[in-house]
Amino acid sequence: AQKITQTQPGMFVQEKEAVTLDCTYDTSDPSYGLFWYKQPSSGEMIFLIYQGSYDQQNATEGRYSLNFQKARKSANLVISASQLGDSAMYFCAMSTYGNKLVFGAGTILRVKS
Amino acid sequence: DAMVIQNPRYQVTQFGKPVTLSCSQTLNHNVMYWYQQKSSQAPKLLFHYYDKDFNNEADTPDNFQSRRPNTSFCFLDIRSPGLGDAAMYLCATSTRLAGLASTDTQYFGPGTRLTVL
Repeated sequence: AQKITQTQPGMFVQEKEAVTLDCTYDTSDPSYGLFWYKQPSSGEMIFLIYQGSYDQQNATEGRYSLNFQKARKSANLVISASQLGDSAMYFCAMSTYGNKLVFGAGTILRVKS
Repeated sequence: DAMVIQNPRYQVTQFGKPVTLSCSQTLNHNVMYWYQQKSSQAPKLLFHYYDKDFNNEADTPDNFQSRRPNTSFCFLDIRSPGLGDAAMYLCATSTRLAGLASTDTQYFGPGTRLTVL
């Protein structure tokens, strides 16, 4: 069975600093995808970044990068130059064939000015 | 802009009174999903459609039904809402069922927040 673990219920970061949100996963499937979503208080789930299990390089999307360490089964999200608008809940999720997303419990990020 | 639209954004219903939530998409995606998300929890998949093929999750209560009359629209029907059904309901779409490429990403709508009185 697939499982996602996010061990940080909440995080604070100073505006303009970088922050890392942790995510570890467990699966016996060799093929899988890893996703990060942002959910502001309004409720919409916003797709941020994707990493495939066979991708050789870490994914990057603007200020978001994914630190993928396959041997350690971790897929941490790094947000650079934090902004006040980054305050939200962040979910790590995994899919295998069948595209059923398994979500972690989420991490609430608060950016301080 | 192509997107996933949910109506209404907020829905209030009475205990036991049937309610229908709506989702539409302009992405022309084959797959549409319905998730339930309770406060401070991760989304929980209720069911999905691949084209017209319906797949119900094993633990989805019979109280929840869905219809997909065409590619663009999908509805969530709650036949007799209970207090425990109060939640955010999220609709999502993807091109296919294999979540093994960036093109398989699920895109979510803004959600409908359901209150049951």
